[in-house]
Amino acid sequence: AQSVTQLGSHVSVSEGALVLLRCNYSSSVPPYLFWYVQYPNQGLQLLLKYTSAATLVKGINDFEAEFKKSETSFHLTKPSAHMSDAAEYFCAVSGHSNFGNEKLTFGTGTRLTIIP
Amino acid sequence: ETGVTQSPTHLIKTRGQQVTLRCSSQSGHNTVSWYQQALGQGPQFIFQYYREEENGRGNFPPRFSGLQFPNYSSELNVNALELDDSALYLCASSVALTGLGTDTQYFGPGTRLTVL
Repeated sequence: AQSVTQLGSHVSVSEGALVLLRCNYSSSVPPYLFWYVQYPNQGLQLLLKYTSAATLVKGINDFEAEFKKSETSFHLTKPSAHMSDAAEYFCAVSGHSNFGNEKLTFGTGTRLTIIP
Repeated sequence: ETGVTQSPTHLIKTRGQQVTLRCSSQSGHNTVSWYQQALGQGPQFIFQYYREEENGRGNFPPRFSGLQFPNYSSELNVNALELDDSALYLCASSVALTGLGTDTQYFGPGTRLTVL
């Protein structure tokens, strides 16, 4: 079984400050890990994904995340917050097999607020 | 290249009724997954279709059923609607890469279902 835990349902940062959203995973197999962003009344947009290549993953809009197996973590960071970053962020985990797509298991989300 | 589209955008039904939600996959994608996102929660996996066959199911009762068509579009049907079925229903398309594991799932904007 796989799961993710997102620490902090709400995070507020000032514009220009560092963004850090926390995600810890649990998986009995080497995981694939994802961060998605959801703007109000919209679907999910992929920010970045980890698929067992480089442990530091760079995504869109200057977001990045680092896979740390020893800490079972996959925290999302951005050096300088923008007002447009205000949204809901979801961490997700899947397994992988030699065929087909594995389901995504999502965390409960973190709502990011940017303070002007 | 068109993305994932879903219809309708919003839907209001009463308890006990039946509903059909539709999804058109991104061009070239052969796998469709459906997720239910209750208010304030992360998406929950309902089921996945690959080549018109169900290819995995989450913890949802049989009154949730689906179809995938030869053009890879898909339907989600829910019978005997209950109040707790009120949620955002998300469709995601992807490519099953035989021997290469999981591909990214691309989400549509969702259908917001309200059950009264």
